[in-house]
Order: sequence, then structure tokens, then C-alpha cells
Amino acid sequence: GNSVTQMEGPVTLSEEAFLTINCTYTATGYPSLFWYVQYPGEGLQLLLKATKADDKGSNKGFEATYRKETTSFHLEKGSVQVSDSAVYFCARSMNYGGSQGNLIFGKGTKLSVKP
Amino acid sequence: DTEVTQTPKHLVMGMTNKKSLKCEQHMGHRAMYWYKQKAKKPPELMFVYSYEKLSINESVPSRFSPECPNSSLLNLHLHALQPEDSALYLCASSQQGSDQPQHFGDGTRLSIL
Repeated sequence: GNSVTQMEGPVTLSEEAFLTINCTYTATGYPSLFWYVQYPGEGLQLLLKATKADDKGSNKGFEATYRKETTSFHLEKGSVQVSDSAVYFCARSMNYGGSQGNLIFGKGTKLSVKP
Repeated sequence: DTEVTQTPKHLVMGMTNKKSLKCEQHMGHRAMYWYKQKAKKPPELMFVYSYEKLSINESVPSRFSPECPNSSLLNLHLHALQPEDSALYLCASSQQGSDQPQHFGDGTRLSIL
């Protein structure tokens, strides 16, 4: 089937710590992979994406690499800030190729960064 | 600032009321989506419109009725809702294609009394 599994939270880190949030997906077809972030009281914002194997998405110091061999798309950041506190969702597209790309979301990981 | 605008931001309604949620985007996206998000959960897909036609209905109860009047607007008409329908309702839009990201509005927080 189609699913996304990401590490359970909450994750609490001190400022400037290294962040990893694990995400794996089921390998049905060749999905596009996304990380979205949701700040309190807001909708989801695209953080980064990768559309094929070995692609690396990056934005605002966050990175994730599309690993087909391990069906993973782990999110990393070298030095987190208090402003990174939010809920992070890993997602994969449902369909392959040019058809409509509906999203399957992981359960979300809440990150809290302390000063 | 979000490029997908949802109104109202908050809505409180009784179970017998009729109300509508509105969503607007001017990015030229031809796919639009409604999601329901409960607290501490991921968004759940409700409806997808592609080129103003309903393409996916994820077995949503008929008390939710979507409408896409044109390529920029998406409505969700509500009638006879239940308390368990209280949630954040998110609208999103995207270009066609599975590699295209979805752009989300900030949502309407709906409370059913």
C-alpha cells in the first residue's frame, strides 16, 4: 500500500543542536517526497521536496535526501533555532507521472527548541 | 503571507445552521483540495478538484458539499454538522502533476456547538 512513517515526537532540543527526523515510505511506484512544516495557528508550508532518487531537497538550513534503497527521506538540520519549533510532516505523492498528485502524510513530529 | 486565502478564520455554528467556507488562490493552479485536520493529527484529504471538476471524494458525508465556481475559488458548504466535525479545515492548491507541491491556506477553525 501507500504509507508514510515518521518518528514519533515530541522532540525537544537545545538551540544549536543537530536535528534528525526520520521518515520512511512504502515503495509503490516512484513518488515525489515532501517535508511540510506547520507553525502554531497556521496552515502547512512546503519546506522542501525531492522528485527522484538521490535528489536532495534543501531550504532554510534543512536538508533531506531521497534514498530509494532504504525508502527514506530523513530531515536534517545542523543547528536548530527556537524559531524552528513547529510540527513537521513528511509526505509522499500518491500517483506516478503526470496525473494528479494527492498526498499521503506521516503522523507529524512536534519539535520544541529551547533557548 | 500565504498565497491561498481562506475565510473565515474562525467559525462557530450550531448543528442546524448552514454556512460556507471559502478559499481563493490566484496562482493559476488548476487543482484545489479540501482537508480536515484534527488536533495533533495530519491533514485528511476530503475532496480534490481538477480543472473545476470534482475528481476525488474521500467518502465524505453529504453534510459537506464542495463547490468550485471557477478556477480561483473553492467553497465548502456545511449543513447539519455534528460536534465531531469540529476541526481545522484547510484548503490547498497546486499545479497538475505528482511532483508539484501543494500550497496551503491558514485554514478555518470550525467549532460545532
